[in-house]
Amino acid sequence: ETGVTQTPRHLVMGMTNKKSLKCEQHLGHNAMYWYKQSAKKPLELMFVYSLEERVENNSVPSRFSPECPNSSHLFLHLHTLQPEDSALYLCASSQSRDRSYEQYFGPGTRLTVT
Amino acid sequence: AQSVTQPDIHITVSEGASLELRCNYSYGATPYLFWYVQSPGQGLQLLLKYFSGDTLVQGIKGFEAEFKRSQSSFNLRKPSVHWSDAAEYFCAVGADYGQNFVFGPGTRLSVLP
Repeated sequence: ETGVTQTPRHLVMGMTNKKSLKCEQHLGHNAMYWYKQSAKKPLELMFVYSLEERVENNSVPSRFSPECPNSSHLFLHLHTLQPEDSALYLCASSQSRDRSYEQYFGPGTRLTVT
Repeated sequence: AQSVTQPDIHITVSEGASLELRCNYSYGATPYLFWYVQSPGQGLQLLLKYFSGDTLVQGIKGFEAEFKRSQSSFNLRKPSVHWSDAAEYFCAVGADYGQNFVFGPGTRLSVLP
């Protein structure tokens, strides 16, 4: 595997379910990100991890819970979601949070909340 | 704080025609600028980036972009568009350390046969 991978690629869940999204980067990067991409809205940064520490939480509801057990893996735990949470969830990584380093994106998980 | 605008929400061009996608940024210092492309249902792929030096940068898939400080612009160009270029294009400005990338709202490109 190379680059940034995300599983599952598609997920349908009810409002009372609990599920997790997984992201893995094979690039040796130190920073990882979760973004939400909804139709007709700009990319929304949700969480940022640098060296496995959460450095930013952009006012994301508590029904989204991130976890970064090591520098290669990032999870997004989901529980009691709302239909408006249906979106494409993108994971990204970069060598560091320095502005000169581009972010590399995974293919995303298409989440549908029913 | 930095910001990015992409004035065109949707552009349609014919295959073989030239393309220019506009990007304007607001940033106090010399910016680090990026263009990404996103095909339907996929993640974002880096096309090119500008850090310093030559203001005309070459990227993948035949794209290039020109940095114009006086206009605070970083427009993306391609001399001859292919049907496979149909996608969403995002401009981004790299942030100060400790701050985050700022992405523009995106421009959707449609290509007519």
